[in-house]
Amino acid sequence: ILNVEQSPQSLHVQEGDSTNFTCSFPSSNFYALHWYRWETAKSPEALFVMTLNGDEKKKGRISATLNTKEGYSYLYIKGSQPEDSATYLCAFDQAGTALIFGKGTTLSVSS
Amino acid sequence: ETGVTQSPTHLIKTRGQQVTLRCSSQSGHNTVSWYQQALGQGPQFIFQYYREEENGRGNFPPRFSGLQFPNYSSELNVNALELDDSALYLCASSTRTSGIYNEQFFGPGTRLTVL
Repeated sequence: ILNVEQSPQSLHVQEGDSTNFTCSFPSSNFYALHWYRWETAKSPEALFVMTLNGDEKKKGRISATLNTKEGYSYLYIKGSQPEDSATYLCAFDQAGTALIFGKGTTLSVSS
Repeated sequence: ETGVTQSPTHLIKTRGQQVTLRCSSQSGHNTVSWYQQALGQGPQFIFQYYREEENGRGNFPPRFSGLQFPNYSSELNVNALELDDSALYLCASSTRTSGIYNEQFFGPGTRLTVL
């Protein structure tokens, strides 16, 4: 059974703080890793699809890195804003079919 | 471009009943995947449909079944509902095209409550 772990489970930061989360996944048979951002009462929004060891992706103040050999990915948010408050999910891609999700990290940013 | 839509938004059923959830894919997408998110868990893969055929299934019993239509919209049917089926059901559409990774675009979900 494939297991995807995310830590921490939740995080509360002040506006302007930088933060990072971890996603751990199986290091064998890697195909791709996805990051999603999910605000309450909305659809999960795709942030990144990461496919190569050493990949680094960036979208505004959010960036992510990938280490497929050791089976982890980091998501970084620089200068957190209240609108960054959401649950961040990572998903291990089973060769283009199922996405195996972690439980997510819920970020709360106070102004 | 129209995103993924799901209906209904909320649904309440009683144990033993049957339910049908609906999903319209994003324009241009030919693949639909369904996920169940129980309280406190990440979304769990139920199955995927590509060109009207099941293309992968997670660890869900046969009373969970699906359909994909020629316009790529989809239904999720659950028979003999159990209390544990209470969850948010997410639909995601994507395109199976060579060289393009499996980026799945999600709808807002249907919240099913089984009493």
